[in-house]
Amino acid sequence: GNSVTQMEGPVTLSEEAFLTINCTYTATGYPSLFWYVQYPGEGLQLLLKATKADDKGSNKGFEATYRKETTSFHLEKGSVQVSDSAVYFCALSRMDSNYQLIWGAGTKLIIKP
Amino acid sequence: SQTIHQWPATLVQPVGSPLSLECTVEGTSNPNLYWYRQAAGRGLQLLFYSVGIGQISSEVPQNLSASRPQDRQFILSSKKLLLSDSGFYLCAWSDVREQYFGPGTRLTVT
Repeated sequence: GNSVTQMEGPVTLSEEAFLTINCTYTATGYPSLFWYVQYPGEGLQLLLKATKADDKGSNKGFEATYRKETTSFHLEKGSVQVSDSAVYFCALSRMDSNYQLIWGAGTKLIIKP
Repeated sequence: SQTIHQWPATLVQPVGSPLSLECTVEGTSNPNLYWYRQAAGRGLQLLFYSVGIGQISSEVPQNLSASRPQDRQFILSSKKLLLSDSGFYLCAWSDVREQYFGPGTRLTVT
C-alpha cells in the first residue's frame, strides 16, 4: 500500500546550519509529493510540492526533489533560522481515492540561536 | 480567495459531555473536506472525509461522528467525550491535489 516514512525527531540544529529531513515513500503509480509545515499552535501550511519525477519544489529557501529511483523527497535548506523551528510533514497524494493525502509522522525541528 | 474557518479555537470539556466542532469553507464549491486529530507530539490521524453533502467516510472507528449538512460546512460531534479525545483537531479542504488547513481547535477533556 501507500506509505510515507520520515526521519524521527526532534532534529536540533544551530542557526545557519544545513538542514536535511529525510522522507521516503511507497506508492503505486505516480503520486504528487508534498512538504507541509506546522508552526507552534497553528494549522498546517503547504511549504512546497512536486508533481512528477525530477521536479524540484522550492519555497522560503527550502527545496526538495522528487526522486523516483530512490522513492525519496528529502527536504533541504542551506542555512536555517530560529524562525524555521516547527514540525515538518511529508505527504503523498492518494490518487486512487479523491486525492487524499498519506502523511508521514512529522519531524520536529528545533533551531537554536 | 478561499478561506477556512474553525471554531472554537480552544475548548475544555468534562468527560462524558457532548462535543460539536464546526468548520466552514469560503470561496470554493463542492470541496473535499477532512477532519484530522493530532495528539500531543504526534502526527496527523485522519478521522473523516467527505466528498459531498451527506457523504461521510470514517477512517477510524471511535465515539466521534461527522456530518456535512451543507456544501461548505463540516461538523465533528460526539455524544460522550472520553479523556483520549483530547487533542488538536484540524479541518481541511482540498482541490484536485492540495489540502488547505484551518487554524485548528485545541480540545482538552478533563
